[in-house]
Amino acid sequence: DAGVTQSPTHLIKTRGQHVTLRCSPISGHKSVSWYQQVLGQGPQFIFQYYEKEERGRGNFPDRFSARQFPNYSSELNVNALLLGDSALYLCASSFWGSTGELFFGEGSRLTVL
Amino acid sequence: EDQVTQSPEALRLQEGESSSLNCSYTVSGLRGLFWYRQDPGKGPEFLFTLYSAGEEKEKERLKATLTKKESFLHITAPKPEDSATYLCAVRSETSGSRLTFGEGTQLTVNP
Repeated sequence: DAGVTQSPTHLIKTRGQHVTLRCSPISGHKSVSWYQQVLGQGPQFIFQYYEKEERGRGNFPDRFSARQFPNYSSELNVNALLLGDSALYLCASSFWGSTGELFFGEGSRLTVL
Repeated sequence: EDQVTQSPEALRLQEGESSSLNCSYTVSGLRGLFWYRQDPGKGPEFLFTLYSAGEEKEKERLKATLTKKESFLHITAPKPEDSATYLCAVRSETSGSRLTFGEGTQLTVNP
């Protein structure tokens, strides 16, 4: 069975640009969460969507936004990129919205120059 | 606010040398403590979930235990392929579905 898939795997942007990251959850999973992991630190929660509705938002600026589509895939958008946005962006899926394990994809490595 | 502290930050073992990693947590009503393994440049791989004090789970050379304040990940007779960063995370009654992660313990097992 396919796990969580994310694209692109690597990308390089310059300050001020916009980026869109994509995630397909495990088949049958209805919840998608996004985490940011800066090198050497643990992942930090950005958003959670369940059944296409936002169910949680972390302490990130409004430049970060996300949505979930009818097929449960998701996009994370970041506007006006800053150098500090350079990180590994992780998508995780779970069957339930508020319980159970999260299963992570391999991540999208974003470098902002 | 949920807090997770992992120790040590880094641990170097010889193959076969057993040891333990620590995860101390502060939450308002624990609804799950999670252990993940992360290889460099990869996403975290789920290992265990523990829900209540006294609970234990095992997988190959790994055993996770839970008390009311901390969790331990015991590694018995480790092999070089066990080298990775081990992450601990908690979910609480006030956090919804979000996980709060510690900064991880980087384990290196030398042959």
